[in-house]
Amino acid sequence: DTAVSQTPKYLVTQMGNDKSIKCEQNLGHDTMYWYKQDSKKFLKIMFSYNNKELIINETVPNRFSPKSPDKAHLNLHINSLELGDSAVYFCASSQDGGVSGNEQFFGPGTRLTVL
Amino acid sequence: GNSVTQMEGPVTLSEEAFLTINCTYTATGYPSLFWYVQYPGEGLQLLLKATKADDKGSNKGFEATYRKETTSFHLEKGSVQVSDSAVYFCALVSGGSYIPTFGRGTSLIVHP
Repeated sequence: DTAVSQTPKYLVTQMGNDKSIKCEQNLGHDTMYWYKQDSKKFLKIMFSYNNKELIINETVPNRFSPKSPDKAHLNLHINSLELGDSAVYFCASSQDGGVSGNEQFFGPGTRLTVL
Repeated sequence: GNSVTQMEGPVTLSEEAFLTINCTYTATGYPSLFWYVQYPGEGLQLLLKATKADDKGSNKGFEATYRKETTSFHLEKGSVQVSDSAVYFCALVSGGSYIPTFGRGTSLIVHP
């Protein structure tokens, strides 16, 4: 069983469109995250979500919004896509992100290409 | 705020060479320190971690020691293999923060 799964694996779309990426974890973890990885492999945290509390990286544009229907799911919705949004997006989870010793489990990534 | 600095890559080595990837950090309090590895086309996975000063994390022949006095967590391996070719990320988490801090990643290329 995959611990953290994401769909789709690849997403190609036009500028200006709205798209969503889904993430599910079956580990029973309390904290979930979204990251953006650019072409130089730089990893930027976008959101952290713990027990319905959202912690936002203030540099993330408000076109990006996380949505959590339940503890096992954290979806990423992106409005008005721009060329600069092209990247690989990773979902991750942690048993309790507030406990410093807990590691994160990452999904396989979604490669988003905006044309 | 917290920060993690890793040596820039790529690091290119021959098989069986000794590996060191440097990582230094700044953080408030007493963070936990991690090394993650990302193989091509995959997500990150935990390689090792240390949760307090002087702890040594180890896995798959890799080691790193949490040095509070030098604020460092350097990754080492005595003899690398071609299969170790990947990107390595140093990271820290401070208790209660919910926002992990990652370094920029170091690409390792191992030639036969």
